[in-house]
Amino acid sequence: DSGVTQTPKHLITATGQRVTLRCSPRSGDLSVYWYQQSLDQGLQFLIQYYNGEERAKGNILERFSAQQFPDLHSELNLSSLELGDSALYFCASSVSRTAVGELFFGEGSRLTVL
Amino acid sequence: AQSVSQHNHHVILSEAASLELGCNYSYGGTVNLFWYVQYPGQHLQLLLKYFSGDPLVKGIKGFEAEFIKSKFSFNLRKPSVQWSDTAEYFCAVNALGATNKLIFGTGTLLAVQP
Repeated sequence: DSGVTQTPKHLITATGQRVTLRCSPRSGDLSVYWYQQSLDQGLQFLIQYYNGEERAKGNILERFSAQQFPDLHSELNLSSLELGDSALYFCASSVSRTAVGELFFGEGSRLTVL
Repeated sequence: AQSVSQHNHHVILSEAASLELGCNYSYGGTVNLFWYVQYPGQHLQLLLKYFSGDPLVKGIKGFEAEFIKSKFSFNLRKPSVQWSDTAEYFCAVNALGATNKLIFGTGTLLAVQP
């Protein structure tokens, strides 16, 4: 158990819909990272938040957005869903502001868009 | 932009065989290097990491990796694999002072046959 909690574990929805994925970091960790894992693209970095502020941005689509709340949990919002958005979405956390050390990963949220 | 290449997408070995998984990165500056492992149905977890010092690093479960700066490589090795090593292995690089993002390779799926 990494200490990072992600919900839901599985989600099936239709194209055009909107979903929210939730992540609770390890106790004491201030950084939250979101990654998308798909068969053809591997693990793609989406976005990082540190203590409520956006810290780094990766290959995140404009249809996707995220935020980190005062209690440090984070949500990834995916809207106008397309078939290609089907993937495993991982959240990770770390204590530091930059990704220089170990990240602790949750078990992921598997999104299926039909 | 920094990138990480893992040469082998699928590797099949018999128990007791030796393992070497290749990882190359593209960045000329200082890097932190990681290998993460994802066992079936589980979250990614850290196998080993290199920050500085001895380029040969030892991780959990008998794994080791060697950082060769001149080759921009960080190959993972294990002298004798076990069935329980069946998993997906990800190399990751943080280009310090550049993006400060942890970039992952596409992963190598290792299947160990008993």
